[in-house]
Amino acid sequence: KQEVTQIPAALSVPEGENLVLNCSFTDSAIYNLQWFRQDPGKGLTSLLLIQSSQREQTSGRLNASLDKSSGRSTLYIAASQPGDSATYLCAVIQGAQKLVFGQGTRLTINP
Amino acid sequence: KAGVTQTPRYLIKTRGQQVTLSCSPISGHRSVSWYQQTPGQGLQFLFEYFSETQRNKGNFPGRFSGRQFSNSRSEMNVSTLELGDSALYLCASSLEPSTEAFFGQGTRLTVV
Repeated sequence: KQEVTQIPAALSVPEGENLVLNCSFTDSAIYNLQWFRQDPGKGLTSLLLIQSSQREQTSGRLNASLDKSSGRSTLYIAASQPGDSATYLCAVIQGAQKLVFGQGTRLTINP
Repeated sequence: KAGVTQTPRYLIKTRGQQVTLSCSPISGHRSVSWYQQTPGQGLQFLFEYFSETQRNKGNFPGRFSGRQFSNSRSEMNVSTLELGDSALYLCASSLEPSTEAFFGQGTRLTVV
């Protein structure tokens, strides 16, 4: 059974810092991995999708990497801003359209 | 281009009642999946539909059911509601299975 773990559960940093969020998964037989952000009481916003054949994907200040063999992905956020405060979720896409989610990292950027 | 639309946004129901939630995927998307989000369990997969066929189902009791129509719109139904069914129910659509998933804003269900 696939298990996805995100560390840390919560992170608080001052504005302007670069930071890394971690995601690990137990079964490397995945199709893709997707990172999302969720604001309180809202739905999920897709940030990046990394296909299983890719090593990394970039969008603006965000960079996500994937190492299938070690079962790890990282989300790098450069020059953090208060608007980046949210919960960040990673999910592995495993068969059909079943996403298996981690518990998320609650990120707070302090002005 | 419109995103994923879920209706209603909020619902309050009494134990024992049943409820139907609706999801309209992004135009052209044929895969729709449903998730339940609670503080204790996080996001859990309910089921997934593609071309009107349920292809995958999560570990939920038979009180949870769904369907997909020919226009790809999907509904999920929960019968005999229990207090523990209170959650945010999220719908995701994708062009094809295993491609990028886009989520709606969710339906907040409260069972009293």
